[in-house]
Amino acid sequence: ETGVTQSPTHLIKTRGQQVTLRCSSQSGHNTVSWYQQALGQGPQFIFQYYREEENGRGNFPPRFSGLQFPNYSSELNVNALELDDSALYLCASSLGGGQLAGELFFGEGSRLTVL
Amino acid sequence: SQQGEEDPQALSIQEGENATMNCSYKTSINNLQWYRQNSGRGLVHLILIRSNEREKHSGRLRVTLDTSKKSSSLLITASRAADTASYFCATRPFSSGSARQLTFGSGTQLTVLP
Repeated sequence: ETGVTQSPTHLIKTRGQQVTLRCSSQSGHNTVSWYQQALGQGPQFIFQYYREEENGRGNFPPRFSGLQFPNYSSELNVNALELDDSALYLCASSLGGGQLAGELFFGEGSRLTVL
Repeated sequence: SQQGEEDPQALSIQEGENATMNCSYKTSINNLQWYRQNSGRGLVHLILIRSNEREKHSGRLRVTLDTSKKSSSLLITASRAADTASYFCATRPFSSGSARQLTFGSGTQLTVLP
């Protein structure tokens, strides 16, 4: 158990819809990052939030956006869903948003299916 | 894009045997980490090795790092059926601008047969 919880665990959407995924980080962790994992692939970095501000972003379009709240919980929003957005979305928390950050603590993920 | 590439993609061994997985990466790194993922679930951190370290142990795990060859290996000794999972290497780049993200490889699927 990492102490990182994600909701919902599974959801089904149709193309063009919008989705919000939620994550509660481990107690005391001030950094949250989000990853997308397609079937049979490794996780791909979407973005990271440190003290409520985005401080790193991967190669994802602007329709992927996020928030971090004062209690360090976080949301991932995806607009105008496409079929290729079907994936496992993983949230990870850690200590420190700086350059020497170490291990990540992952939640169990939210499985999104876009029809 | 994937920075690390694991080899082999799939590995099947008998319980009690050792399992070795390799990882190659492309850019200079601050550290390299190995994670484990049971089918469709979250990733669990196994071990972190810094760029100035060459070998590290944790229980039945041994990790080596060769920065000149940009490669790492993960050895699991005396494997158990419960070790069946996907194993990923992840690198944290040395460049300050991108140091915040971990870049994962595509993983090795390990199956340990009882």
